[in-house]
Amino acid sequence: AQSVTQLDSQVPVFEEAPVELRCNYSSSVSVYLFWYVQYPNQGLQLLLKYLSGSTLVESINGFEAEFNKSQTSFHLRKPSVHISDTAEYFCAVSDSGGYNKLIFGAGTRLAVHP
Amino acid sequence: DTEVTQTPKHLVMGMTNKKSLKCEQHMGHRAMYWYKQKAKKPPELMFVYSYEKLSINESVPSRFSPECPNSSLLNLHLHALQPEDSALYLCASRQDRAATEAFFGQGTRLTVV
Repeated sequence: AQSVTQLDSQVPVFEEAPVELRCNYSSSVSVYLFWYVQYPNQGLQLLLKYLSGSTLVESINGFEAEFNKSQTSFHLRKPSVHISDTAEYFCAVSDSGGYNKLIFGAGTRLAVHP
Repeated sequence: DTEVTQTPKHLVMGMTNKKSLKCEQHMGHRAMYWYKQKAKKPPELMFVYSYEKLSINESVPSRFSPECPNSSLLNLHLHALQPEDSALYLCASRQDRAATEAFFGQGTRLTVV
């Protein structure tokens, strides 16, 4: 069965600083990886996804993530954060043997300070 | 249209009430999901429907009863809930294969009194 570990429950950072949110997964078959963002009292929005092909994927608002099969990781990075990036970030995994399950990590609270 | 619409947005119900949560999508997705999310926790999978058939039940108590009347609609019937069932209930949909993203609704904030 697939699982996801997000190593940091909270990440405080100053505005315009770089940030990395860590995600590790476990699966015995092909995996598909996602980062979702959740703002207070809202649903989840897809930030970016890795399905196949290039291991580096980017979002339209400056986030990127790299799929690393040997380290079973899918870390999220942004070179310069804004106050508006303050939110909860969830890494999620789906695999080819999972009967359509989409499983989430515990989440990382990104708090951007001025 | 990439929207998943959930109604109502907020619901307060007593422990003896019966209520239903509704979810609708018009993206032609054949997999639909119910998740429960407590404060400061990740979404927790409850049910998955695939082609209108229940494919996954994550050992959810019977006081939660899902229904998928057609490919666009998903309901969650609630009966005799407990205060600890208070949470944000999220609906999601996607194509019926793992290599696709899921689209989420804004959720129903449920309070059981």
